[in-house]
Amino acid sequence: DIQLTQSPSTLSASVGDRVTITCRASQSISSWLAWYQQKPGKAPKVLIYKASILKSGVPSRFSGSGSGTDFALTINSLQPDDFATYYCQHYKSFPWTFGQGTGVEVK
Amino acid sequence: QVHLQESGPGPVKPSQTLSLTCTVSGVSLRSHDYYWSWIRQPPGEGLEWIGYISYRGNTIYNPSLKSRVTISADLSRDQFSLTLTSVTAADTAIYFCAPSRPYDAFHIWGQGTIVTVSS
Repeated sequence: DIQLTQSPSTLSASVGDRVTITCRASQSISSWLAWYQQKPGKAPKVLIYKASILKSGVPSRFSGSGSGTDFALTINSLQPDDFATYYCQHYKSFPWTFGQGTGVEVK
Repeated sequence: QVHLQESGPGPVKPSQTLSLTCTVSGVSLRSHDYYWSWIRQPPGEGLEWIGYISYRGNTIYNPSLKSRVTISADLSRDQFSLTLTSVTAADTAIYFCAPSRPYDAFHIWGQGTIVTVSS
């Protein structure tokens, strides 16, 4: 199985901050990576797919980068609605797996 | 617009079989575009992909659950189902259904259904 390791596990930030979450794969997954945002009691919502493609309707302050084994999700100018948990997920090979999640909380 | 709705029994006793159904609207299960997955999330934990059934009826399961999982589809009702045998408390989770295209993310999710395994 391909393991995805996210850093940090929790991140404390303020509105307006630029935050970066990283996701490292245990082997190359090319660009077959997605980022999701999840709020309590809700299903995850895709933000980025194929490592860097912004989902239609997602604010442009979200961006994704990377390929191979190292990836990042950046939120420029954090907004109140962005406090949530973020997951990366690969779809390179079976089983598809998710990172353990990164909680973005109010500082 | 594609919409998915999970339904299930709620509480299940240990050692019993869990059965869930995902009802799809807005697209046919026969669509060549999609794989139909189940994903779960234990309380306060991360996400685990369980497996999928393709439009052709082929199934792929996560090896961690493969011995206990069956995913099937009723094309006439546009429903696909998850069966998980010999459940334990570790199977307590929110269960989501979600379609994906080949080499693509999960762009659409059901709202999820909570399954509690308890005696």
